[in-house]
Amino acid sequence: DAGVIQSPRHEVTEMGQEVTLRCKPISGHDYLFWYRQTMMRGLELLIYFNNNVPIDDSGMPEDRFSAKMPNASFSTLKIQPSEPRDSAVYFCASSQTGGNRGYTFGSGTRLTVV
Amino acid sequence: SQQGEEDPQALSIQEGENATMNCSYKTSINNLQWYRQNSGRGLVHLILIRSNEREKHSGRLRVTLDTSKKSSSLLITASRAADTASYFCATNPSSYGKLTFGQGTILTVHP
Repeated sequence: DAGVIQSPRHEVTEMGQEVTLRCKPISGHDYLFWYRQTMMRGLELLIYFNNNVPIDDSGMPEDRFSAKMPNASFSTLKIQPSEPRDSAVYFCASSQTGGNRGYTFGSGTRLTVV
Repeated sequence: SQQGEEDPQALSIQEGENATMNCSYKTSINNLQWYRQNSGRGLVHLILIRSNEREKHSGRLRVTLDTSKKSSSLLITASRAADTASYFCATNPSSYGKLTFGQGTILTVHP
């Protein structure tokens, strides 16, 4: 398995633009998580899905953020409109119910909003 | 919100020495996990210990868990320069679902 695949690896955008981050989880994993990492706040859980259904989106900072999982092999995190304070590294991770192997993280998307 | 708090925030040692990192948490857990993050990369799962376990080993890693004190420690024996990374503990209140990560310990191993 190629692991959790995120795209793009880097994204630089202007304030006010729409940003879409993509994630392909590991086949067979039934949980998918979106995290954001910054120096100030560390790793924050934004939202997670189980069997493609959003379970907890309480970490989504505001209505500008939305996430979807249309099928078991694809998820998106969208920011519209983007702001400079959204600059961070966004990680997608997947896991399997009952597994002892924890989460498998993608390499992340480094987002810079100027 | 950060459930786990790692201590120390930064640790600098020489190759061959042991490195010990500690994690404290606030609420009850089902399991606790440790992850490593190399600079500019994603997190890599190292080891999971369940609430009914007290100690677990994996290669040069040894993890302990004391649920009465709500604390865990990660010991890396005979450290190598390649162990240089940030180490995070993460707690899970159930057997599934979300992890809450601490702020991490930055480990530097000098050759």
